[in-house]
Amino acid sequence: EPEVTQTPSHQVTQMGQEVILRCVPISNHLYFYWYRQILGQKVEFLVSFYNNEISEKSEIFDDQFSVERPDGSNFTLKIRSTKLEDSAMYFCASSNSYSPLHFGNGTRLTVT
Amino acid sequence: KQEVTQIPAALSVPEGENLVLNCSFTDSAIYNLQWFRQDPGKGLTSLLLIQSSQREQTSGRLNASLDKSSGRSTLYIAASQPGDSATYLCAVRRVENYGQNFVFGPGTRLSVLP
Repeated sequence: EPEVTQTPSHQVTQMGQEVILRCVPISNHLYFYWYRQILGQKVEFLVSFYNNEISEKSEIFDDQFSVERPDGSNFTLKIRSTKLEDSAMYFCASSNSYSPLHFGNGTRLTVT
Repeated sequence: KQEVTQIPAALSVPEGENLVLNCSFTDSAIYNLQWFRQDPGKGLTSLLLIQSSQREQTSGRLNASLDKSSGRSTLYIAASQPGDSATYLCAVRRVENYGQNFVFGPGTRLSVLP
């Protein structure tokens, strides 16, 4: 069965550094998402992406965040200047219209 | 604003029991509702998706129901096994913005004791 793949599985970075989290969504999916989960808390929506543009974003997704689909397969989340509170699991997901949402295994981001 | 809650927050049962997990949402304007399983430190695995026009979906020992008008869904697990131990999350797909966003509940942490 097709999968959403994310790399790296774990990223450690220093406060103020830029990080790029990478995702390969399922190939025939049209909608792409980033969610995050701070340890012990709910899964929170960050951003959705459709037709090469952001279709919705949450209050969490401020100017330090950006997303890109640089080619036909990858979908990236960039955090420009990481803060301690950005430490979380970041999940990429993809779907088609009203079909099930499929998640990757996540990237654990640790900001020190 | 759509809010999703789940009760109980945690549940511990002996192996073989049938159990029910509950999910409530405040806005009945949803496209669908999806149940997920999350193992510690892992991603979310899709279990069942119920469209807003459906009443229930079944997969193996799992049965999910949806009562959109009352804002409730249940996940029924039959003959529970230790391998079912995980956190179970429900998520609703909002109607606004063409259903781009899922809102998640906090999850129910299930422990099935051998």
